[in-house]
Amino acid sequence: QSVLTQPPSVSGAPGQRVTISCTGSSSNIGAGYDVHWYQQLPGTAPKLLIYGNNNRPSGVPDRFSGSKSGTSASLAITGLQAEDEADYYCQSYDNSLSASVFGGGTQLTVL
Amino acid sequence: QVQLQESGPGLVKPSETLSLTCAVSGYSISSGFHWGWIRQPPGKGLEWIGAIYHNGNTYYNPPLKSRVTISLDTSKNQFSLILSSVTAADTAVYYCARHFRAVADTRVDYWGQGTLVTVSS
Repeated sequence: QSVLTQPPSVSGAPGQRVTISCTGSSSNIGAGYDVHWYQQLPGTAPKLLIYGNNNRPSGVPDRFSGSKSGTSASLAITGLQAEDEADYYCQSYDNSLSASVFGGGTQLTVL
Repeated sequence: QVQLQESGPGLVKPSETLSLTCAVSGYSISSGFHWGWIRQPPGKGLEWIGAIYHNGNTYYNPPLKSRVTISLDTSKNQFSLILSSVTAADTAVYYCARHFRAVADTRVDYWGQGTLVTVSS
């Protein structure tokens, strides 16, 4: 059971918008710690997609955006493309565990 | 460009010790950032193992803390993971990673390619 909760899967047609939620608690997201998002393509290492809740590293398309409110965060992908098919993970810090924590991951399928 | 590369045995026997090394190029580990390990069991999600700062301060995930040691070798610009008393539950792809910090902002901006370690007799 992951500390951060994500839906196991989401799907969308090319060109559509999808969102992936990440729900935490008062000891992590709700405590004000930043949320980061990673994209993991099949057979590869994760790649930092969003950091500090809503910032994109250089090279990440602006189709990807993040937001945070209360004890939850969301990743939105607009203009869905076949190449976006991957697993997505959220990450934050938990002060009751004194550890970095990840969500269980969400598999995105492009229909 | 910062690059990280894991190395170590791909097969470890139950109850024995897992030992991995991460060679870093493109950045001196003694210059800053935290250097750590994350693992991913086959078909499952990511689990943070721990990290070490360039001054030697270590931070470990509590469930693993009693079995984990992370150390630095600044002369070789590499860092290592030791996990003792392994069981089949420790079978995973192990990633070495550069963390922004080990507390609060623990984002990972550089990852190794990962190495699969199987625990089996």
